[in-house]
Amino acid sequence: ELKVEQNPLFLSMQEGKNYTIYCNYSTTSDRLYWYRQDPGKSLESLFVLLSNGAVKQEGRLMASLDTKARLSTLHITAAVHDLSATYFCAVEGSGTYKYIFGTGTRLKVLA
Amino acid sequence: EPEVTQTPSHQVTQMGQEVILRCVPISNHLYFYWYRQILGQKVEFLVSFYNNEISEKSEIFDDQFSVERPDGSNFTLKIRSTKLEDSAMYFCASPKGAANYGYTFGSGTRLTVV
Repeated sequence: ELKVEQNPLFLSMQEGKNYTIYCNYSTTSDRLYWYRQDPGKSLESLFVLLSNGAVKQEGRLMASLDTKARLSTLHITAAVHDLSATYFCAVEGSGTYKYIFGTGTRLKVLA
Repeated sequence: EPEVTQTPSHQVTQMGQEVILRCVPISNHLYFYWYRQILGQKVEFLVSFYNNEISEKSEIFDDQFSVERPDGSNFTLKIRSTKLEDSAMYFCASPKGAANYGYTFGSGTRLTVV
């Protein structure tokens, strides 16, 4: 059974600092997605990672995927307050199109 | 970006009552999904629906749940006899393009069972 874990669960950081969120999963998959969720809102797609070594960047966020290590990272560069949200990774299981979501990382960027 | 529309945005219901949540997914897609998120927790898969049939469902999706595509465009999730623990945000989702380009999630329905 596919399990997806994220760490940290909570992250409070100062503006301008860098940090990385980690997403580990338990079984083989080469499809991983990152979403952002603001309080009370829906899930906004950030990145689609479809192969080993995939790296995507958008603004201050960069995501990567290592399928051999079963690990994805979401790196935040020079954080700003607007990045405060909950970030979820989601892994697509082999032979299925359903997503298994990680526990989420609640990020708070302090001015 | 194409939208996935859900109605109502918020529904309050008495325990034991039936509720129907509605979704209008991105057109021309055969795959649709329902997920739920209990407040403050992770997003959980409920059911996937392909070509007008359930293709996969989770343990959460028991006999009190059903999905339909009644008119070729709307996509409904019915909970027959709601329980307090059904209180959650319910999201429908539709692929953005090809199935491996990720989903677009709907705006969600907040269900409160009292």
